[in-house]
Amino acid sequence: DGGITQSPKYLFRKEGQNVTLSCEQNLNHDAMYWYRQDPGQGLRLIYYSQIVNDFQKGDIAEGYSVSREKKESFPLTVTSAQKNPTAFYLCASSMGRARETQYFGPGTRLLVL
Amino acid sequence: GQQLNQSPQSMFIQEGEDVSMNCTSSSIFNTWLWYKQDPGEGPVLLIALYKAGELTSNGRLTAQFGITRKDSFLNISASIPSDVGIYFCAGPPNTGNQFYFGTGTSLTVIP
Repeated sequence: DGGITQSPKYLFRKEGQNVTLSCEQNLNHDAMYWYRQDPGQGLRLIYYSQIVNDFQKGDIAEGYSVSREKKESFPLTVTSAQKNPTAFYLCASSMGRARETQYFGPGTRLLVL
Repeated sequence: GQQLNQSPQSMFIQEGEDVSMNCTSSSIFNTWLWYKQDPGEGPVLLIALYKAGELTSNGRLTAQFGITRKDSFLNISASIPSDVGIYFCAGPPNTGNQFYFGTGTSLTVIP
């Protein structure tokens, strides 16, 4: 079945550590996105990539980094510079340009210990 | 930037009741999408609308693309406990290369 997978489902981080969240899609979509969701809040765009080896900052990119070395993979690193990393992280993909319908993975919940 | 405002922000209803929510924008939209997010999961696409006045159903859910193209509506009939979640509207405005999500409507169904 085609879809988007995110791993792990839950992730614990000690303060000062970098952690990487995985996102893989087998939908052959060109564009991929990372969103952050805080309790009771909407979706905020962290980074997006419309093509391999290219990505753009979203609204809240500070403290995060991404790479897009393969079409199907778009990992997100939460660095120690992100002062409030505890949140629910969602990965999405779309066929082409950013205007296209987005499809989401199941999410990763990050908790800072 | 673009804002998609959803109303109401939250709803608490009895099982069996009908639900109505809406989404408004300051710009004309070409496509309106409605997603549902179950607690602890990613949003799932429910309904897609592509032209003004379009009315589309998916089971007990019915959505409409507003005539002005600046709004959309979602109705749920005879609500059940599994309807609980957050409903988001979304879409691309008529101009630009962006995709926006609404602020969400949180639905609680009381058995």
